[in-house]
Order: sequence, then structure tokens, then C-alpha cells
Amino acid sequence: TQLLEQSPQFLSIQEGENLTVYCNSSSVFSSLQWYRQEPGEGPVLLVTVVTGGEVKKLKRLTFQFGDARKDSSLHITAAQPGDTGLYLCAGAKNNDMRFGAGTRLTVKP
Amino acid sequence: DAGITQSPRHKVTETGTPVTLRCHQTENHRYMYWYRQDPGHGLRLIHYSYGVKDTDKGEVSDGYSVSRSKTEDFLLTLESATSSQTSVYFCAISPQKGINEKLFFGSGTQLSVL
Repeated sequence: TQLLEQSPQFLSIQEGENLTVYCNSSSVFSSLQWYRQEPGEGPVLLVTVVTGGEVKKLKRLTFQFGDARKDSSLHITAAQPGDTGLYLCAGAKNNDMRFGAGTRLTVKP
Repeated sequence: DAGITQSPRHKVTETGTPVTLRCHQTENHRYMYWYRQDPGHGLRLIHYSYGVKDTDKGEVSDGYSVSRSKTEDFLLTLESATSSQTSVYFCAISPQKGINEKLFFGSGTQLSVL
């Protein structure tokens, strides 16, 4: 059983659509991160959220940390083919970083 | 991009043989990590290092050993490879640990154990 559950596992959408992916846990985290991974490469850090209820924006990407610091969401507005990739969330707890299994997003032109 | 080099990028080996994967960094970061990535499991920590000759076990350390004799190099050894160790292995580095931890990953090593 994963400490962090990500949903959906797979998502395929058309260019221009909006989407939200989720990262949920029953554990409280001191911080939560989102990474994007492209085929054949390692994950790249997108954002770190620390405070419950915190919202961060990175161009068309909006990240939110749940009030109780147990969950997070990533919303993409007007998705583009360049957004295609595996999105991973990772939670920091007791000096450990644990990863979810990821959401594989495909944006079709 | 963070200066992290993993070698080899691909390796095919036979069950029972020893395998060593190398991670080299040019960032002088204190913390280095080895993860494995498998479908449905995400990234799982094998071992990490918090300094030269200072290492600790991660979530899935059985069957693996590590060594860090220099700040820039972190080696992962499979003493006797098994088919369950077929995976993609990622090295990561970080300047600090905990709430402000930021992981920078290498490009990975695809290991197949036949």
C-alpha cells in the first residue's frame, strides 16, 4: 500500500482542456512536492508547498496543499502537448521523503 | 541542470552476478540517494548518504549495498543480482534534508537481470 495515493493513474486529454490530479494520504506531511518526469529522464522538481491551505502557481499550473497537510492537488489550465509526462507527488515526513506512484498525463494535439 | 551523471545508462546482466552502478555529482551537495522506480510503486528509496562514509538504509535496502568514499561519488552494488532487481535506478542529490529538501535526479540506469 502506497503512503501517497495518486489519482487518476492515467489521464489522456485534448490540447486546451483543463485537468486536476490528486495526491492523497492519511498521514500529515511537513511539506509536499510535485515533480514531472519525461520518458528516459529523472523527475524534475516543480514546486514545494509547506503551509496547510497554501496555493502556488507556476504559469498554467496551480498547486494546492490541503488544510490538514494530508493531500494536494495539481490543476493545469489549457493543457498543451508539452505538459505530457508522469506527475509525481512526494511528501516529507520524519526526515523521509516518500513518493506516490504518479499520474501519467498525455495531452494530444 | 544539476551536474549528476549516472553510469552505465543501460545494463543487462545475469542472475547471481555482481553489479555496481555509479553516481557522480559536481554540485558538492551533502546528501546523495539511490532510488528504484517500478510501475505501480513510484520511487522507493534504497539507501542514502549524508556525508563521506556516512550512509543509511532506505525503504527497500535488502540485497543492496552502497559506498561513498568521496563527496562526489556514490556507488550502488548488487552483490548477487536477482530478477526482482530489474528496475530503473535513479541517483538523486540534495543540499539539505527535511522540510526544505530539494531532490535533483540523474537520468537513470535501466538494469535488466535475466
